[in-house]
Amino acid sequence: DAKTTQPNSMESNEEEPVHLPCNHSTISGTDYIHWYRQLPSQGPEYVIHGLTSNVNNRMASLAIAEDRKSSTLILHRATLRDAAVYYCILRDVSKGGSEKLVFGKGTKLTVNP
Amino acid sequence: NAGVTQTPKFQVLKTGQSMTLQCAQDMNHEYMSWYRQDPGMGLRLIHYSVGAGITDQGEVPNGYNVSRSTTEDFPLRLLSAAPSQTSVYFCASSTGTGGYNSPLHFGNGTRLTVT
Repeated sequence: DAKTTQPNSMESNEEEPVHLPCNHSTISGTDYIHWYRQLPSQGPEYVIHGLTSNVNNRMASLAIAEDRKSSTLILHRATLRDAAVYYCILRDVSKGGSEKLVFGKGTKLTVNP
Repeated sequence: NAGVTQTPKFQVLKTGQSMTLQCAQDMNHEYMSWYRQDPGMGLRLIHYSVGAGITDQGEVPNGYNVSRSTTEDFPLRLLSAAPSQTSVYFCASSTGTGGYNSPLHFGNGTRLTVT
């Protein structure tokens, strides 16, 4: 199974953009890139996902490298409520939803006021 | 719409006791899974199921049993609790077919302490 690599921690200032990187050099053509985040004392929540093209939603943007070996989650204006652990995982469409979904340690984002 | 419901929210066990962590979802999701989360360890997959009657092991299955008799329920059983099983447990579900395009929905967790 393809794996992802993320920095352990990052810091940002409030109202500034945040770029959270994820490396997935062994990604296959059928892997979708998913991002989740976990606020303190809560279960993880879905943020965004994509395959090849950049994606935007109300929470964030996802920029995917042309070779798909890396991606970046972009929070356009960080708020204190964005302080969380962010996880990048791969989901293989060829497995029909039967894949073993493995989360790593993620990136702990600290937002300074 | 309740989503993924986990019970209990908190539980204290003594070493050797058994118990079942309950997980139920009302979204007709085929895929369900259990994770444990320890400080500094991120989420680790215990067991998962792609449909009723089908289960498989994750990264850390030892000491845990699961069954999937219905689409809605995916209980996690600890047959003989050990202090190493002190953790926060999360259940998650997702649509099966086309699951790559469907987000995982997580419950709010069960905090288990084994003394």
